[in-house]
Amino acid sequence: KQEVTQIPAALSVPEGENLVLNCSFTDSAIYNLQWFRQDPGKGLTSLLLIQSSQREQTSGRLNASLDKSSGRSTLYIAASQPGDSATYLCAAHNDYKLSFGAGTTVTVRA
Amino acid sequence: GAGVSQSPSNKVTEKGKDVELRCDPISGHTALYWYRQRLGQGLEFLIYFQGNSAPDKSGLPSDRFSAERTGESVSTLTIQRTQQEDSAVYLCASSLGTSTYNEQFFGPGTRLTVL
Repeated sequence: KQEVTQIPAALSVPEGENLVLNCSFTDSAIYNLQWFRQDPGKGLTSLLLIQSSQREQTSGRLNASLDKSSGRSTLYIAASQPGDSATYLCAAHNDYKLSFGAGTTVTVRA
Repeated sequence: GAGVSQSPSNKVTEKGKDVELRCDPISGHTALYWYRQRLGQGLEFLIYFQGNSAPDKSGLPSDRFSAERTGESVSTLTIQRTQQEDSAVYLCASSLGTSTYNEQFFGPGTRLTVL
């Protein structure tokens, strides 16, 4: 059974600082790894999807890396803004289903 | 185009009542998934559909839970004789298929509260 862990559980930074969010997974036979953002009371917004054959994926200020052999992924958010405050979830995709971590709750202070 | 939609957005019910939650996937998406997020916990996989077939129902917590899908369209998750531990946000997602690159797109969820 795939187990996904996210560290830290919560993070508070001043505006402008770079964010580093960590995700680890136990079963390296993944199809891909997906990062999501969840705002309070809302659904999930997909941020980045890294296929198992890729090492990283970038979108604007977001960059996600994937190291399948060590079972790790890292999400970097450059030059954080108050609007980046949310919970970030990583999910490992095995076969057809996603296994989620518990999330990292980010607060960016203005 | 339209994203995944779910209804109702909120549902409050009394213990012992049955509830139906609805999901409309993105048009053309053959795969549909249900997940549950209980307060303070991570998302749990419940069931997925490929077309109107549900190859894996192993995530359904008990036989009070059932789901069906009409063709490659709407899905309904039914919870019979609701219990307080069923209180959660129920999220639906859809994808083009279930092969290696298939990003799942999520709806806004239905918040279920069982009193």
